[in-house]
Order: sequence, then C-alpha cells, then structure tokens
Amino acid sequence: GQQLNQSPQSMFIQEGEDVSMNCTSSSIFNTWLWYKQDPGEGPVLLIALYKAGELTSNGRLTAQFGITRKDSFLNISASIPSDVGIYFCAGQLYQTGANNLFFGTGTRLTVIP
Amino acid sequence: SQTIHQWPATLVQPVGSPLSLECTVEGTSNPNLYWYRQAAGRGLQLLFYSIGIDQISSEVPQNLSASRPQDRQFILSSKKLLLSDSGFYLCAWSRAGLVYGYTFGSGTRLTVV
Repeated sequence: GQQLNQSPQSMFIQEGEDVSMNCTSSSIFNTWLWYKQDPGEGPVLLIALYKAGELTSNGRLTAQFGITRKDSFLNISASIPSDVGIYFCAGQLYQTGANNLFFGTGTRLTVIP
Repeated sequence: SQTIHQWPATLVQPVGSPLSLECTVEGTSNPNLYWYRQAAGRGLQLLFYSIGIDQISSEVPQNLSASRPQDRQFILSSKKLLLSDSGFYLCAWSRAGLVYGYTFGSGTRLTVV
C-alpha cells in the first residue's frame, strides 16, 4: 500500500498552546483527510481537503492540502484538554475498487492542563 | 442518516477459542466495508475489505477471516485465537464509487488470554 509519513509521533503540550502536525507521501493524492481518535473509540473525520493548495478551517482546526499534492498539515489553535487523542492523516486516490484510502501512522497528542 | 454498529465493545477470550465480531451498517445500500486492527497506541492496519456480498479481499495473511453474508453485515472470525490477535478492531464503511473518506464504528477491544 501507499506510505504516509506522519510527524511528530507524539506531542506533549500545555493547555492553550498551538499544535502543528504534518503528513508527507511520495505519492500524489486526490483528497487529504484528517481524523481524530479519542481513547477507546473509532476515528472520526475532522476535515477533508479536495484541491491542491486548499486551506480549510473547522473551529480551532486548520488544515491545508499541499500544492504538490504529496503533503498536508493540521494546526490546532489554543489547545484544550479534550483535544487529547490520536490524529491520523489519510490520503485518498480516485481509483476503482474499495481500497483507496491510506492512513498515516498517527500523532498522539497529550494536553497538560 | 447512516449509522454503523459494532459489537461487542470489549471481549476477553482464551487462546484457542473461536471469535466472531459483527458489524452492521444502516441507512445505505451496497456499502464498501472494512475491518482494521489497531495494536495498542499504534496505527491502523487494514485486514479485509469487501465491495459486495461474499466478495472479500484480504490485505495481510493472518489467523483471521471475514465474511459478508448480507449487504450491510460484515463479520470477522477466527477458528482458534492466538495471543497476537489481541488488539482494537475497527469496522468502517464507505459509499461505493467515488468516495470521500471512511466512517468508523466504535471498535471492539479484544484481549486474548
């Protein structure tokens, strides 16, 4: 499958700080998505990006689809304790068949009150 | 609206015992269905996916099997569990055709003892 490199692997931050994480690939993707997984739950979609260069916000979250289509970043502003969890990037290809979404290795975020 | 149900939420099974995890989707027809496994604190490993009844694709060789006896039902099974089968199992669905992301169930925590 496709390889997506996500960094950092983990982050420990103080409440109120901003967070930045990114995802890179050697392959071009048609869509980039960011998911959050709360402890003991399934991942939930946060943001979807459909065009190269696109910058999209969802509350305190901002994500960008890299101009080369091989990368994406996610920023969280003014972190709060409920931001704790694992964040996954995912790249999607427009291709036939069902197996067309590839996940990064995840960034584990810990917010210290 | 579409919903995905996964059960049980937690399961403790002895080594050598059989396994059956069930996933159902409501509110849509002919979904693509997926089984993922997540080791503790790690990324998402795709195990199986299905584009239709009795159509199963396996991504990794393993001790598990999957079946799709009905359009919106996906079952993960094992005849004899191994210790290494412990993990967090996630079911997901997507629309057939051009899709934007997968929707995950709430997961099953399996501990093999």
